[in-house]
Amino acid sequence: AQTVTQSQPEMSVQEAETVTLSCTYDTSESDYYLFWYKQPPSRQMILVIRQEAYKQQNATENRFSVNFQKAAKSFSLKISDSQLGDAAMYFCAYRSLTQGGSEKLVFGKGTKLTVNP
Amino acid sequence: NAGVTQTPKFQVLKTGQSMTLQCAQDMNHEYMSWYRQDPGMGLRLIHYSVGAGITDQGEVPNGYNVSRSTTEDFPLRLLSAAPSQTSVYFCASSWGTGPLQYFGPGTRLTVL
Repeated sequence: AQTVTQSQPEMSVQEAETVTLSCTYDTSESDYYLFWYKQPPSRQMILVIRQEAYKQQNATENRFSVNFQKAAKSFSLKISDSQLGDAAMYFCAYRSLTQGGSEKLVFGKGTKLTVNP
Repeated sequence: NAGVTQTPKFQVLKTGQSMTLQCAQDMNHEYMSWYRQDPGMGLRLIHYSVGAGITDQGEVPNGYNVSRSTTEDFPLRLLSAAPSQTSVYFCASSWGTGPLQYFGPGTRLTVL
């Protein structure tokens, strides 16, 4: 079974600075998806960015980018020019592409990000 | 499209009571899932469905029942609520093995 580990329960960053959230995962599969979700106090799960494992190029969405190291099974999220609205819980998630596994997401335990003005 | 909707948003139950959490989606998605979120635990899969009439257990299925009679609806039933089921519940849906899962807004359930 796949597992996802987020080793930083809490992180803080100064407004306008850059912060990197860590995520490692364990799988024997070669093709899969990885995601970062943001959960603000409203509780809504918001997709921040996704990465297909077969793509070597790191995904980027505006101020959010990932560092995907497939061999190391690492998938970190970099937030540039941090804003107060980035404060939230961030979850790393894995989705298999194989039958019997693709129906669900496997989540890490989350990292609480605080942005200081 | 309304996306994924969940009702109610909040619920308080007494131990032993039963209730159904409702989930509906209007995107014609095949896959629907129920997760629970507990502090420090991330989201864990309770049950899922890959189409009408087909359901299966996830990581933490005990104490919950599901059925899927239509593509749109995927209710989660608590037959006899226990304090350990106090949690936030999320319903999600997706189109086949496509990468995106759409989440509902969540239901906060407290069992006294």
